[in-house]
Amino acid sequence: DAGVTQSPTHLIKTRGQHVTLRCSPISGHKSVSWYQQVLGQGPQFIFQYYEKEERGRGNFPDRFSARQFPNYSSELNVNALLLGDSALYLCASSFRGEDTEAFFGQGTRLTVV
Amino acid sequence: AQKVTQAQTEISVVEKEDVTLDCVYETRDTTYYLFWYKQPPSGELVFLIRRNSFDEQNEISGRYSWNFQKSTSSFNFTITASQVVDSAVYFCALSEAPRSGGYQKVTFGTGTKLQVIP
Repeated sequence: DAGVTQSPTHLIKTRGQHVTLRCSPISGHKSVSWYQQVLGQGPQFIFQYYEKEERGRGNFPDRFSARQFPNYSSELNVNALLLGDSALYLCASSFRGEDTEAFFGQGTRLTVV
Repeated sequence: AQKVTQAQTEISVVEKEDVTLDCVYETRDTTYYLFWYKQPPSGELVFLIRRNSFDEQNEISGRYSWNFQKSTSSFNFTITASQVVDSAVYFCALSEAPRSGGYQKVTFGTGTKLQVIP
């Protein structure tokens, strides 16, 4: 079985632009969480989705949004990009939201210039 | 509020040495979960262990062992006979008990970069 897949792997955007990051969970997993990892820091929780509904949100501005599709894949959208949005964005999937074991993808490295 | 502190930013050891990575946590929850993840240069987080707050038994898995002490709010990780492949950033994380509807926030520490020198 394929693990959690994220696309693209690397991305360069200009300040003010919009970006969409994609995540496909492990087959059978219904929950997807998004994390932002700034260089030298631990991952910070952004969103959790389960059965296509938002179940949790971290302390991020409204420029960040996400959604989950009927096939349980997910998109993370960031509007009006700032230099500070440069980070590794990690997606994690689990069977259910309350599972205590999540499997992470390799992330999307976003650079905002 | 939950907090995870990994005071060691970087550690270098010579291959075959033992190394312990420290983790101290803060939470008001009585039920919680503790994790260790490994992040190799490729970027993905690799799950190593999960421990719930009611299970203070130490655990050993091959060269890895974990020491959970609620009295000191610590969950330390020891690698015995380190190998070059152990070089990575290691994160300790804390999760609150799952809430109704499946929401579960995980709080990560800032990580410890381990370099094993051949």
